[in-house]
Amino acid sequence: QLQLQESGPGLVKPSETLSLTCTVSGGSISSTTYYWAWIRQPPGKQLEWIGSVYYSGSTYYNPSLKSRVTISVDTSKNQFSLKLSSTPAADTAVYFCARLHSNTWYFDNWGQGTLVTVSS
Amino acid sequence: DIQMTQSPSSLSASVGDRVTITCRASQNITNYLVWYQQKPGKAPKLLIYAASSLQSGVPSRFSGSGSVTAFTLTISSLQPEDFATYSCQQSYRTPYTFGRGTKVEIK
Repeated sequence: QLQLQESGPGLVKPSETLSLTCTVSGGSISSTTYYWAWIRQPPGKQLEWIGSVYYSGSTYYNPSLKSRVTISVDTSKNQFSLKLSSTPAADTAVYFCARLHSNTWYFDNWGQGTLVTVSS
Repeated sequence: DIQMTQSPSSLSASVGDRVTITCRASQNITNYLVWYQQKPGKAPKLLIYAASSLQSGVPSRFSGSGSVTAFTLTISSLQPEDFATYSCQQSYRTPYTFGRGTKVEIK
């Protein structure tokens, strides 16, 4: 059974870089059928797609965050990662990693989510 | 970006009720519409993709319909475990965008 697990600091200072890793178990991140994605949800607000990465390293980012986002993949560790730079308090959110099906582009498996607070 | 508008934002219903939630896209997304269920403190769960395809393991009381810009999620007979927030997502083009959600509460 596929499982995704986010890990990383729960507290980031304003203007610093938020870094999270998603570890995939029970399946290969190198599957040609799927992309891997980061999605966030500020408290009480709607979900926001941050970006996606393919096992080859190809990436797609939300234009609203593109200047600050880097998503990378490490197939040897079955992991993918998110870096979000120059974080303002508005980046406080629950961050989810998810698997993105490349047929009709739906997120079919999600990690449990991790709350990241941006505060001094 | 494609804007997704859900209605209502919340509703109260009783066990056994038929519930319908609407999602509208700001432009034509053909059938690239996804529905999720989310409970407090949990990750979203995929219910329906491609507007009407039921994800494996999801009860048949859930159904989806619609195309172009207007879509609906229907729960034919609401069960206690269905009280949650339901969100739609367009998967037509990036950036993928979500609706604000519809909270289904106990009446």
